[in-house]
Amino acid sequence: AQTVTQSQPEMSVQEAETVTLSCTYDTSESDYYLFWYKQPPSRQMILVIRQEAYKQQNATENRFSVNFQKAAKSFSLKISDSQLGDAAMYFCAYRSHGNQFYFGTGTSLTVIP
Amino acid sequence: DAGVIQSPRHEVTEMGQEVTLRCKPISGHDYLFWYRQTMMRGLELLIYFNNNVPIDDSGMPEDRFSAKMPNASFSTLKIQPSEPRDSAVYFCASTKGARETQYFGPGTRLLVL
Repeated sequence: AQTVTQSQPEMSVQEAETVTLSCTYDTSESDYYLFWYKQPPSRQMILVIRQEAYKQQNATENRFSVNFQKAAKSFSLKISDSQLGDAAMYFCAYRSHGNQFYFGTGTSLTVIP
Repeated sequence: DAGVIQSPRHEVTEMGQEVTLRCKPISGHDYLFWYRQTMMRGLELLIYFNNNVPIDDSGMPEDRFSAKMPNASFSTLKIQPSEPRDSAVYFCASTKGARETQYFGPGTRLLVL
């Protein structure tokens, strides 16, 4: 079965600095999707960025980018120029070829003014 | 688009009562997912539908839980009878196509006393 591991329960970053959140996953599939979701205190799940496994190029969305290492089964999220509004719980997610979703346990990000 | 709509946003009930959670997916989306989030177990996929048909309900914890999707714009998750351990945030998400991004609703926070 696929598993998603986020080894950092909590992270903190100074405002305007850069932070990287780690995610690894276990799979035997070659075709799948990876996502990062943000969950602020409002509890709503907000898509941050997604990556198709067949694409070698790392996805980028404004200040958010990923480092996708398929062979290592690693999918880290880099947040540049961190803002106070980035403070939230971040979840890494894996979507299998069979359309199953698996989520990590989350990383709580604190942004220090 | 209004996004995925869930109701109620908060529900407090007593053990043994029936609870019905509602979800309206984004118009045009053909997949609908129900998740449960707790501190202990994180985010769990309960069931998902494709074109109103339940595809995988292996995540449904037990017979007390049931889900329906009578049409493309409405789904319900019912718990009968409810128990305190069902207390959680329940999310509905929808997507257009099997390989696309899921969009989450704001969640329903359920407390069973």
